[in-house]
Order: sequence, then C-alpha cells, then structure tokens
Amino acid sequence: QSALTQPLSASGSPGQSVTISCTGTSSDVGGYKYVSWYQQHPGKAPKLMIYEVTRRPSGVPDRFSGSKSGNTASLTVSGLQAEDEADYYCGSYAGGDNFVFGTGTRVTVL
Amino acid sequence: EVQLVESGGGLIQPGGSLRLSCAASGFIFSGFYMQWVRQVPGKGLVWVSRISLDGRKTGYADSVKGRFTISRDNARTTLYLQMSSLRAEDTAVYYCARENSGAKDFWGQGTLVTVSS
Repeated sequence: QSALTQPLSASGSPGQSVTISCTGTSSDVGGYKYVSWYQQHPGKAPKLMIYEVTRRPSGVPDRFSGSKSGNTASLTVSGLQAEDEADYYCGSYAGGDNFVFGTGTRVTVL
Repeated sequence: EVQLVESGGGLIQPGGSLRLSCAASGFIFSGFYMQWVRQVPGKGLVWVSRISLDGRKTGYADSVKGRFTISRDNARTTLYLQMSSLRAEDTAVYYCARENSGAKDFWGQGTLVTVSS
C-alpha cells in the first residue's frame, strides 16, 4: 500500500493550464478505471473533482479534466483561476477492499 | 442534501481506545459503501478503511489492521470506527466519506483525534 507519486508542487498564471501527474503501478492506477482526483483548500474537507479517470461530478467546471496512460494518471486544470489554488490528491482502487491516495500536489496560481 | 457528520474525536492516551461515529443523512445510507480517511494536519490523505453495504466485507490499511474496526448501523444510518491500541502516529483528522463509482463523492467535515500522554 505505497502512496501514489505526485509532484510536490505545480504553478501557473491565471488563464494558463497546469497538469499534475500521479504515478502508481499495475496493481492500482494501471490496473483499474477507478482513478479519482480531489481538491482540498486549507482547513476544508476534500472535494471530488474527477472520478473513473475522466468523469466530472455535477458542478465541477469543465476546466478540470483527467486522463490515464499506463500506470500514470493526470489531472489538467485549464484556464487557471485564483480559486483553483489548493492541494490536489489522486486516488486509486488497489484491488480487494484497498484504496490508495497520492502524495499530494500544491497548485499555486501566480 | 447529503450530509456526513463525524463525532467522537478528542485527546486520548497512547494505548487507549476511541470510537468515532459518522451520522449520515440525505441519501439511502444502506445503498453505498462507506470509508474512513485520515489526514495528519499539514500532511496528505491516507485511506484507512472501507465497509460494504451490509457490513459483512471490510478492508483496512496495513497501518491499522488488527487495531481498528469499521462497522455500520443501517437502521441508524451511522458509520463507526472503533480504534484501539492507539499510537501517537494515529493522531490525525478522521474523515468519513461515501463511496460512489470507486471514488469518495461526499466527505464529512472531519474529527480530530490526538493521541498523547
């Protein structure tokens, strides 16, 4: 149950795009379609942004998109806005009744 | 409106026990798997445990296996986490979350557990 690997930080100017990677193994990210992404602002509970690799829950702007290639999933935030500044975590089903989160990425809007 | 409200956190001595509760409302509780996730303040999210619809199937992170027990009462629409043999490294904010399509689509506000003498 090792954490998925994410970059510590990412940044972009308003209006630009930022992409965050999430690297796991064939036993988690690469083996299942159940990859999700969460946004967390300081002092708040996490919020689901992407599920099943590419799907957006109702109410999440289409500026947020997800993808996966092999054992690496990615979250792209297009048209960066000030309110996108937050911590982002990926998560993946890992077989049986197990789940694993990523190490987290701090996104800064310059 | 889906609501998840955790309670039961607090200060506990190492080796002690504590039971967390998560009161659910606004959805058919018995129709969803449920999970616990924890987060040391300033650190990342860590999956803790998962329970099936009827409570018969459970899963745990290696770090809590044998010490924590997840359960649910569908009649009371409440999720529980019984924690025993608590260690300093169990200090964290504990969140309950609803599982949907392999993701955690709704989260509670969290309850802080501090293990310290």
